[in-house]
Amino acid sequence: AQSVSQHNHHVILSEAASLELGCNYSYGGTVNLFWYVQYPGQHLQLLLKYFSGDPLVKGIKGFEAEFIKSKFSFNLRKPSVQWSDTAEYFCAVNRDGNNRKLIWGLGTSLGVNP
Amino acid sequence: GAGVSQSPSNKVTEKGKDVELRCDPISGHTALYWYRQSLGQGLEFLIYFQGNSAPDKSGLPSDRFSAERTGGSVSTLTIQRTQQEDSAVYLCASSLRDGAWEQYFGPGTRLTVT
Repeated sequence: AQSVSQHNHHVILSEAASLELGCNYSYGGTVNLFWYVQYPGQHLQLLLKYFSGDPLVKGIKGFEAEFIKSKFSFNLRKPSVQWSDTAEYFCAVNRDGNNRKLIWGLGTSLGVNP
Repeated sequence: GAGVSQSPSNKVTEKGKDVELRCDPISGHTALYWYRQSLGQGLEFLIYFQGNSAPDKSGLPSDRFSAERTGGSVSTLTIQRTQQEDSAVYLCASSLRDGAWEQYFGPGTRLTVT
């Protein structure tokens, strides 16, 4: 079955540590890729997205993600995390075309210790 | 401006009863999406609307689930003869137009079927 996999379910880091959250998908062909974040008590919001072009995309709050087509991956990175980055992070994939639905990973819970 | 709103925020119902969940999208957003998040699961696409029509209903899990949208604005998700496995958080999102990829999420409705 077509799916989106997030390898890390729970991650705990200290402030200033580097972050990388894995995301792999199993679709062939053209895809659109997203990372959403849900801060405690808040709604899901878009962190960054990739449609085409430069495979390294930058989002809000210093986050970036790299699309590696050969590895079917779209990993999220941040060089130095802050306590305020504590949140749930979701990877989502959409296949190009008229189908607008997003297929989601199970999410990664990130805790950052001050 | 006002974001996506959903009501009720919590709903507890007895097995076999019908429930209606409401979503009020951001004003001017023509596309509307329903997702559900069950415990320990990722977000599951249910249905999306472009205007008042639903081009993709493929995610509705059974014929007990239906949704409508009137006036290109408010949408109602109806679950008939609720079952315990329907217990989940139901999320609504809207986007400016079909093809505008950023989806703005509401706070969700937590449905508990006893």
